[in-house]
Amino acid sequence: KAGVTQTPRYLIKTRGQQVTLSCSPISGHRSVSWYQQTPGQGLQFLFEYFSETQRNKGNFPGRFSGRQFSNSRSEMNVSTLELGDSALYLCASSRSEDTGELFFGEGSRLTVL
Amino acid sequence: AQKVTQAQTEISVVEKEDVTLDCVYETRDTTYYLFWYKQPPSGELVFLIRRNSFDEQNEISGRYSWNFQKSTSSFNFTITASQVVDSAVYFCALSGPGGSGGFKTIFGAGTRLFVKA
Repeated sequence: KAGVTQTPRYLIKTRGQQVTLSCSPISGHRSVSWYQQTPGQGLQFLFEYFSETQRNKGNFPGRFSGRQFSNSRSEMNVSTLELGDSALYLCASSRSEDTGELFFGEGSRLTVL
Repeated sequence: AQKVTQAQTEISVVEKEDVTLDCVYETRDTTYYLFWYKQPPSGELVFLIRRNSFDEQNEISGRYSWNFQKSTSSFNFTITASQVVDSAVYFCALSGPGGSGGFKTIFGAGTRLFVKA
């Protein structure tokens, strides 16, 4: 059974650009969550999608957005990139909407220059 | 508001020592779940255990054991006879009802464990 797949694994952008990250959840998982991981802030919750609807959102500015498609695949977008957006972005899928057990991908490491 | 505190930033032990990783949480929810995840140097977080708020039974899985105490809002993780392969960052997490349904999971800052041979 394939795990959570995130693309791209690594990318470099410059300030002001935008970026789109993709996440394919485990087959049958309908919930997808996104996290930002940085050395200083740890794992910060961005948002969670279920059946194409954003159900929960963390405390990030509007530059951070996401969506989920009918096949449960999800994308997140960061516009007007800032140096502080450099981080490992982790996607996690969940089998059940009740338990919250998360299965993580390897992440997309974004560097903003 | 929910909060997870892992006060230990880094712990260094010698192989075969026992080590306990502390986790303290805050929540107003009566139904919630607690987790531990392991993040090895390769980067991918791996699920270790889940407990729900109504089950305070401690659990042992091989060299790993977990102590859940609602009275002190703690969910500590002990590795017995640590091994070099246990070197990783360990995250404690709390999952509670989200504002719009489903559950929202927040993580502690993590504890980096170094096990020296």
